[in-house]
Amino acid sequence: ELAQEPSVSVAPGQTARITCSGDALPNQFASWYQQKPGQAPVLLIFGDTERSSGTPERFSGSNSGTTVTLTISGVQAEDEANYYCQSTDSSIPPNWVFGGGTKLTVL
Amino acid sequence: EVRLVQSEAEVRKPGESLKISCEGSDNSVTTSWIGWVRQLSGKGLEWMGIIYLGDSDAIYSPSFQGHVTFSADKSINTAYLQWTSLKVSDTAIYYCAREYCHGTNCYHAFDLWGRGTMVTVAS
Repeated sequence: ELAQEPSVSVAPGQTARITCSGDALPNQFASWYQQKPGQAPVLLIFGDTERSSGTPERFSGSNSGTTVTLTISGVQAEDEANYYCQSTDSSIPPNWVFGGGTKLTVL
Repeated sequence: EVRLVQSEAEVRKPGESLKISCEGSDNSVTTSWIGWVRQLSGKGLEWMGIIYLGDSDAIYSPSFQGHVTFSADKSINTAYLQWTSLKVSDTAIYYCAREYCHGTNCYHAFDLWGRGTMVTVAS
């Protein structure tokens, strides 16, 4: 299970932080996806901190044990979307799991 | 640039069967793991499982095991998701997505997504 806050609001130009908590996160990599209405998700971050090809530099990921964080520096209006974390459990083979998602609102 | 092309929207009645597809635009996907993700209307993403196109090795989420079947035809770069008896609660968008691998390292993340197939089950 991965727990995310349902919503985060931030003014343009400010920094948004979206967190994802789970017991397996100290030992499993996390990824982050952005999904806009009517569109498929897009991979932003993999391996906790690595930006996917095409991900703007304002997006960054970090891991502090049982919590991973997606940070968006200098939020832009176009960043308004749902954000999902995703990781795996410790099973062999692993089961993948998504967080419940966080709606980012740009005020 | 490789794409995943999913089949068109489908409407079925409860109890009917259905098979939807996800075709890679080139044969690079034959060495890829292709996953399936469900999204109920207005809800989040749910991992259903994953299949390796090269040999059809599949891993199912416990939540979906026994209710769906994954298959693949590597000769046409295509993965399939199949139901033998649909339920109204299967109404959702179903995405296929490729696991991101770089060289021999795979990262348990989806870097390429199809546009989704809307499945509606109603009497």
